[in-house]
Amino acid sequence: AAGVIQSPRHLIKEKRETATLKCYPIPRHDTVYWYQQGPGQDPQFLISFYEKMQSDKGSIPDRFSAQQFSDYHSELNMSSLELGDSALYFCASSPRQGRTEAFFGQGTRLTVV
Amino acid sequence: GEDVEQSLFLSVREGDSSVINCTYTDSSSTYLYWYKQEPGAGLQLLTYIFSNMDMKQDQRLTVLLNKKDKHLSLRIADTQTGDSAIYFCAEDGGETSGSRLTFGEGTQLTVNP
Repeated sequence: AAGVIQSPRHLIKEKRETATLKCYPIPRHDTVYWYQQGPGQDPQFLISFYEKMQSDKGSIPDRFSAQQFSDYHSELNMSSLELGDSALYFCASSPRQGRTEAFFGQGTRLTVV
Repeated sequence: GEDVEQSLFLSVREGDSSVINCTYTDSSSTYLYWYKQEPGAGLQLLTYIFSNMDMKQDQRLTVLLNKKDKHLSLRIADTQTGDSAIYFCAEDGGETSGSRLTFGEGTQLTVNP
């Protein structure tokens, strides 16, 4: 079965650079979530989209922005990167708004040096 | 996660049963989840339980929910070395925060041969 696809799997950036992470949800899933997992920590909710509109916002820094496109894929844009942004970034998708079981991608490991 | 708590470590012998415990705080959660994370990998949805149920069995997995005490547990029967991983419980936001998930800190399960 198709899963959530994230790219790239690994990314190394320098401080103050920008990064763009991409997420392709499971087909026919219209809700996308972004989570950040620091080393040895639990995943923290960043932001979610339903039908291309932002549906919820968590602890996402102002330096980050995200959007969902007409084909339902989503991108997380991160600017002015800091060392503390080094983490595993997960995208998840759900079948429809209100159904909360979320299926996660393999994540993008971002390292800021 | 500050609202969801788990013990950090559990060690069992192969063939024994494992019980991973979790307490949560949001009584309005609609669903509660168990995810498995192997080293360097994504979050795999293992099972979930609707908040008005008290038990769900799925092959080797049994989920028990005590809604009065806000206590959730995952029992893995006949634990195998391949079950070694970090197990996260998670609650959805229910009436307060909708479909975002709040995770516990994760329980590192080690299965010894």
